[in-house]
Amino acid sequence: EVQLVESGGDFVQPGGSLRLSCAVSGFTVTTYAMNWVRQAPGKGLEWVSGISGHGDPTFYADSVKGRFTISRDISKNTLYLQMNSLRREDTAIYYCAKTFQGVAVSGGYFDNWGQGTRVTVSS
Amino acid sequence: EIVLTQSPATLSLSPGERATLSCRASQSVSHYLAWYQHKPGQAPRLLIYDASYRAPGVPDRFSGSGSGTDFTLTISSLEPEDFAVYYCQQRNHWPPFTFGPGTKVDIK
Repeated sequence: EVQLVESGGDFVQPGGSLRLSCAVSGFTVTTYAMNWVRQAPGKGLEWVSGISGHGDPTFYADSVKGRFTISRDISKNTLYLQMNSLRREDTAIYYCAKTFQGVAVSGGYFDNWGQGTRVTVSS
Repeated sequence: EIVLTQSPATLSLSPGERATLSCRASQSVSHYLAWYQHKPGQAPRLLIYDASYRAPGVPDRFSGSGSGTDFTLTISSLEPEDFAVYYCQQRNHWPPFTFGPGTKVDIK
């Protein structure tokens, strides 16, 4: 059974940093591309970042480019999102999501999601 | 960036009724469009991919159609568990993958 379990969400001040984790079971992160998708309060879904099953390349939404870094640890079968220079508009529930088909981020549909972890950026 | 618009914003229906949800893209996305169901406190669920293919395990009361810029999700007969928010999402022009703002299907 596929399971994605996010952790690491917290309350942080503007300009601060957080690292989110997504523990994966039921498949290995080398066999599918993985993504982060967020939902701000009262808003819809926003794709944030994706990483190939090969570990490279990686892709980012313009709103987070240069501030967020996606990575994974094969030995732990875990996906990460390092978030630096956080802004109030980064406040959201962050979901990790598996690409439906294949190792390429271009696969672009998301068939397994975690329950999300909440990030609040506020002073 | 491709902008997806969804209509209506809210659809109030009774169990057993037919639901028709619309998604329009700011430019052609070919057939590269998906639909998701999202309930509060739960993970989103992939329902339809490539405009008209049901994801594994999705009941056949859900169907998708369309291509280019205009797409439709139809729920033939609403079950109590179908009341949720539905999002469309495109993968033709990326990054970024973009989602529509959602249609809430609630109980009349």
